[in-house]
Amino acid sequence: AQRVTQPEKLLSVFKGAPVELKCNYSYSGSPELFWYVQYSRQRLQLLLRHISRESIKGFTADLNKGETSFHLKKPFAQEEDSAMYYCALSPGTASKLTFGTGTRLQVTL
Amino acid sequence: EAGVAQSPRYKIIEKRQSVAFWCNPISGHATLYWYQQILGQGPKLLIQFQNNGVVDDSQLPKDRFSAERLKGVDSTLKIQPAKLEDSAVYLCASRQGTTPYEQYFGPGTRLTVT
Repeated sequence: AQRVTQPEKLLSVFKGAPVELKCNYSYSGSPELFWYVQYSRQRLQLLLRHISRESIKGFTADLNKGETSFHLKKPFAQEEDSAMYYCALSPGTASKLTFGTGTRLQVTL
Repeated sequence: EAGVAQSPRYKIIEKRQSVAFWCNPISGHATLYWYQQILGQGPKLLIQFQNNGVVDDSQLPKDRFSAERLKGVDSTLKIQPAKLEDSAVYLCASRQGTTPYEQYFGPGTRLTVT
């Protein structure tokens, strides 16, 4: 069975400070990992996926298979980054997503 | 393109009553998902459809929950009878066959069972 753990319910940082949202997973095979984001009063939407190795809105995430982690990072936080972030895992491309409990990022001035 | 539509947006019912939610996915999206999101938790998959067939309903409480996707387009999720612990946001999502990774979510229906 797969499991996703996000240890922080709330992460509060100052504008311009670095951000790291933690995500650890448990899965015996090679999973697909994703970060989804939900801004205030908006729908849940895909932020990035590990397989594409892309940077979206300044965020990056590296899959560390040894530590079974997929932490989300941004060097300089912006106010508009304030949102709820969910890490998610899929066993395969056509399979269901298992979400973590989410971390609320609060960026203050 | 229009996004995933859901209705109603809010629903308050008493326990033991019945309720139904409706979802209209993005046009052309063959895969449709229903998730339950309880306050403070991440979304949990209830059921996945591929066209009008069920792919995964392993986490659907089948004694009270049912879902259908007639003609492979719209879908309805029903709860009968509702329990207090069913209070949650019910999210519908759809995915296009050629983009395996991204699921597009609807705005959700917030259900309160009193």
